Amino acid sequence: NAGVTQTPKFRILKIGQSMTLQCTQDMNHNYMYWYRQDPGMGLKLIYYSVGAGITDKGEVPNGYNVSRSTTEDFPLRLELAAPSQTSVYFCASSTRGQSSYNSPLHFGNGTRLTVT
Amino acid sequence: AQKITQTQPGMFVQEKEAVTLDCTYDTSDPSYGLFWYKQPSSGEMIFLIYQGSYDQQNATEGRYSLNFQKARKSANLVISASQLGDSAMYFCAMREGVRSGGGADGLTFGKGTHLIIQP
Repeated sequence: NAGVTQTPKFRILKIGQSMTLQCTQDMNHNYMYWYRQDPGMGLKLIYYSVGAGITDKGEVPNGYNVSRSTTEDFPLRLELAAPSQTSVYFCASSTRGQSSYNSPLHFGNGTRLTVT
Repeated sequence: AQKITQTQPGMFVQEKEAVTLDCTYDTSDPSYGLFWYKQPSSGEMIFLIYQGSYDQQNATEGRYSLNFQKARKSANLVISASQLGDSAMYFCAMREGVRSGGGADGLTFGKGTHLIIQP
């Protein structure tokens, strides 16, 4: 199993450009997440999804959009990139259930994005 | 208020010594999980160990153990017999159960501790 796969690994954007970060998982997990990690900091939740067609905002959603058309895929869209969006982006997934809080998140390897 | 506090930004430890990484948490949720992740310089997030709020015994996974003190809201990670390969960032994280409908909104992370193992 590949687990959680993110593409691209690295990207440089100019201010005002747009891009989509791709995330796919093959573990049949209902829950999926996007986090960002700024230098020297922990991870902050951008958006999450509890299943196909359902998404919700996390702690830092401004400047981003998501969609979830299938269980496997959860792309993150950046519109009008700004230098403040320079960060490492992680996609993650986990199982769904009444005791989901007992389950760890499985992370992709991250996308390092620079906006100049 | 921060939900997860890691008070040690960086630590230097001699190889083969035991290491304790501190983590305190803040929640009123009766059901929660506490997790530790390792992030080596290559950047990936590696799950190490988990402790549930109802667990009576401290969790252990190989050289990793979790010193869970519920009344003090503390969940320290202990690494026994440290190795050079343990050098990395370590993150403590929490997943609340009742507030978020079973943990739907994922993990809340601390800012991490940068551990360096010296030969």
